Amino acid sequence: QKEVEQNSGPLSVPEGAIASLNCTYSDRGSQSFFWYRQYSGKSPELIMSIYSNGDKEDGRFTAQLNKASQYVSLLIRDSQPSDSATYLCAVTNFGNEKLTFGTGTRLTIIP
Amino acid sequence: KAGVTQTPRYLIKTRGQQVTLSCSPISGHRSVSWYQQTPGQGLQFLFEYFSETQRNKGNFPGRFSGRQFSNSRSEMNVSTLELGDSALYLCASSLVGTGRSEQYFGPGTRLTVT
Repeated sequence: QKEVEQNSGPLSVPEGAIASLNCTYSDRGSQSFFWYRQYSGKSPELIMSIYSNGDKEDGRFTAQLNKASQYVSLLIRDSQPSDSATYLCAVTNFGNEKLTFGTGTRLTIIP
Repeated sequence: KAGVTQTPRYLIKTRGQQVTLSCSPISGHRSVSWYQQTPGQGLQFLFEYFSETQRNKGNFPGRFSGRQFSNSRSEMNVSTLELGDSALYLCASSLVGTGRSEQYFGPGTRLTVT
């Protein structure tokens, strides 16, 4: 079992719709959760961090964390073509900078 | 504020050679982590430095090493290069270094081993 699992996609979503990206993790000691966006040929860009159970909203992005289910998700509202990228879920344990990444979900927004 | 910078951006080396990559963190960030990204293995953690000390190391052979200087700049070295070392090497910096702080990535160094 992989430590961090994501559906690799590709996930196709019409422009203006909500894109939903999911991630599960196996280490119950995981404390910090991050979503990165990576455009082709570029480095990962941090878009959301979440540390407590519940929802965290930032603009069009909402991260959701459920530690009991070991599940974290990212919702993108009003999806735009510029949101087309690979989205990487990453987790760390408290006091540890080691980010463990999922394999990423490739998202395509269809105009 | 300037972001994380990495040099060089591209590098072509021959098997058996060694290579040194450099990373300058965001001003004020004291933790620097290195990652390797390949199509087959994805993003994998190499090591992390905080206050010039290696605090954590991933599952890579001893050919991969690194160091951090007093100004938080970091270098990583790969000796006796193998074809499988071809990858994008990414450096990330964070403010505090507690695992709860957000890591920001540099543009990466694309290493090709022939």
